[in-house]
Amino acid sequence: DTAVSQTPKYLVTQMGNDKSIKCEQNLGHDTMYWYKQDSKKFLKIMFSYNNKELIINETVPNRFSPKSPDKAHLNLHINSLELGDSAVYFCASSQNPAAGELFFGEGSRLTVL
Amino acid sequence: KQEVTQIPAALSVPEGENLVLNCSFTDSAIYNLQWFRQDPGKGLTSLLLIQSSQREQTSGRLNASLDKSSGRSTLYIAASQPGDSATYLCAVRPLQGAQKLVFGQGTRLTINP
Repeated sequence: DTAVSQTPKYLVTQMGNDKSIKCEQNLGHDTMYWYKQDSKKFLKIMFSYNNKELIINETVPNRFSPKSPDKAHLNLHINSLELGDSAVYFCASSQNPAAGELFFGEGSRLTVL
Repeated sequence: KQEVTQIPAALSVPEGENLVLNCSFTDSAIYNLQWFRQDPGKGLTSLLLIQSSQREQTSGRLNASLDKSSGRSTLYIAASQPGDSATYLCAVRPLQGAQKLVFGQGTRLTINP
């Protein structure tokens, strides 16, 4: 039973399109995150939600809009996709925002053509 | 600004050897440090979490140490096996801005049979 699951695993799309990635965690955690891993394998935080409230927005273009309908779900919608958005997007969760161990999903590889 | 460095970027050793992976961070004001494993095309799997008050944590053949004052952590892998081949990442949770884990770039480990 997967703890943090995200869909789709692969996404190939044209520039200018809009796409969404969904994430769900069944760990009962309060905090969820979106991380981006670029081609150099650097992992950087994009957003964090604690109990459905946005607590981190790490200077991400406003084409990226996260939504948390409840504390077990955190979705990421991307408008007007650009070539530079190609990356692997990871969802993660932790018990609380400040000190808990992080658990990651398997990633969603986005390729923008 | 917290920075995390992992050296070497890649390491190749014969099966059965004991090995050490290094992680250094620039600011000793941290809550904890976490070691992850990432297999190709997969998400991150949490290996060990060391709180700032701890010196080490052990799980099976893995032992992670933390020297907060010198800004260093090591991950020791005993009796390495081909299945240990993966990229190993360390991440620190700073006291300031604790919601954001800061990742190193990882060490790509190959265990040769």
